[in-house]
Amino acid sequence: SAVISQKPSRDICQRGTSLTIQCQVDSQVTMMFWYRQQPGQSLTLIATANQGSEATYESGFVIDKFPISRPNLTFSTLTVSNMSPEDSSIYLCSVEGWDLETQYFGPGTRLLVL
Amino acid sequence: QKEVEQNSGPLSVPEGAIASLNCTYSDRGSQSFFWYRQYSGKSPELIMFIYSNGDKEDGRFTAQLNKASQYVSLLIRDSQPSDSATYLCAVTGTASKLTFGTGTRLQVTL
Repeated sequence: SAVISQKPSRDICQRGTSLTIQCQVDSQVTMMFWYRQQPGQSLTLIATANQGSEATYESGFVIDKFPISRPNLTFSTLTVSNMSPEDSSIYLCSVEGWDLETQYFGPGTRLLVL
Repeated sequence: QKEVEQNSGPLSVPEGAIASLNCTYSDRGSQSFFWYRQYSGKSPELIMFIYSNGDKEDGRFTAQLNKASQYVSLLIRDSQPSDSATYLCAVTGTASKLTFGTGTRLQVTL
């Protein structure tokens, strides 16, 4: 499976500010995904990011709040904008496997908003 | 109705026993089924996937799929304390999107 890194690994932010999370993969992948895992809960898909096109957002998530970039086949960013304490969560990127079915996750970014 | 349902647990099994984790899903069009293991403070790790009805074995792990009953399970033989984690069931439905269950916490006791 691909090696996936995320930056930052954790951060503490003030409400009203924005944080950009980076996801880097060691091989080219078509599909990258961004998830949120709130405390004690399972994973919720925020959006799917394809290179060269706009991200596709899931119900309940909007581009103004979670803008995503996908400049090439190995990199993506997720920005959490105008943060509130409710945005405190783990944010995870994932990439599709070689079989285009499986997904592999990065280590995650732990975000605490005060 | 939740799309993917799991018993939250904790499921407690003694070391060496078989742990049985269960998952049901609502979308009859689901094609692919996955089990992820998540240790506390870590990201999910893919441990098994199954696409066809029946059993699939990989080491101590066996995934079982019954599409007619919309049911998928994971058996862990010879459970070890290192197997203690939360196990997430995930299903690919329409549009190839993964939908996760809330996970079952497994505790393997000495």
